[in-house]
Amino acid sequence: DAGITQSPRYKITETGRQVTLMCHQTWSHSYMFWYRQDLGHGLRLIYYSAAADITDKGEVPDGYVVSRSKTENFPLTLESATRSQTSVYFCASSEARGGDEQFFGPGTRLTVL
Amino acid sequence: KQEVTQIPAALSVPEGENLVLNCSFTDSAIYNLQWFRQDPGKGLTSLLLIQSSQREQTSGRLNASLDKSSGRSTLYIAASQPGDSATYLCAVNYNNNDMRFGAGTRLTVKP
Repeated sequence: DAGITQSPRYKITETGRQVTLMCHQTWSHSYMFWYRQDLGHGLRLIYYSAAADITDKGEVPDGYVVSRSKTENFPLTLESATRSQTSVYFCASSEARGGDEQFFGPGTRLTVL
Repeated sequence: KQEVTQIPAALSVPEGENLVLNCSFTDSAIYNLQWFRQDPGKGLTSLLLIQSSQREQTSGRLNASLDKSSGRSTLYIAASQPGDSATYLCAVNYNNNDMRFGAGTRLTVKP
């Protein structure tokens, strides 16, 4: 299916474990983004990528690692999950420039126990 | 600090009413502004994108305006329907990649 997909949709893990959230888009968009959504904070940018092998930090990058070896994939890794990383994570993409319209995936609800 | 505020936090209206959702931002040096809709447990759906050089955008029953000098944007929904019930998010894009979101307005349209 065309569009942007995320997996898993739901994940429960324990403190200290490594978790990787996957994001895949079929539009060949250059830019991809990871956000987290928390009550009281709205959505906040974690990391973004302008192209394969180019990534940069957003507003709340601590505790997260990203990579982008292929244009269509942008995985987000929590190397040692903490309870404060319990959140809903959204991946997004935009066509040519970061300022273009952003399209969002369905989200991954992550619970860290 | 670049903050985005949406008022009201929640709004309930009867079907058929015209309504306005408000978004204000503290830094007027924006790249563009985007309005989204979010249904419970779902992702965000883009509604309208206004570039910094534009004053308004329209799509169907939706009209979004932008006043950079006053740091405000409004989303006007005409002839509201129960299917419009959702949370509406305003997002301000700074520096081409730094998008700041408001907390949203939760809209309920009663039949």
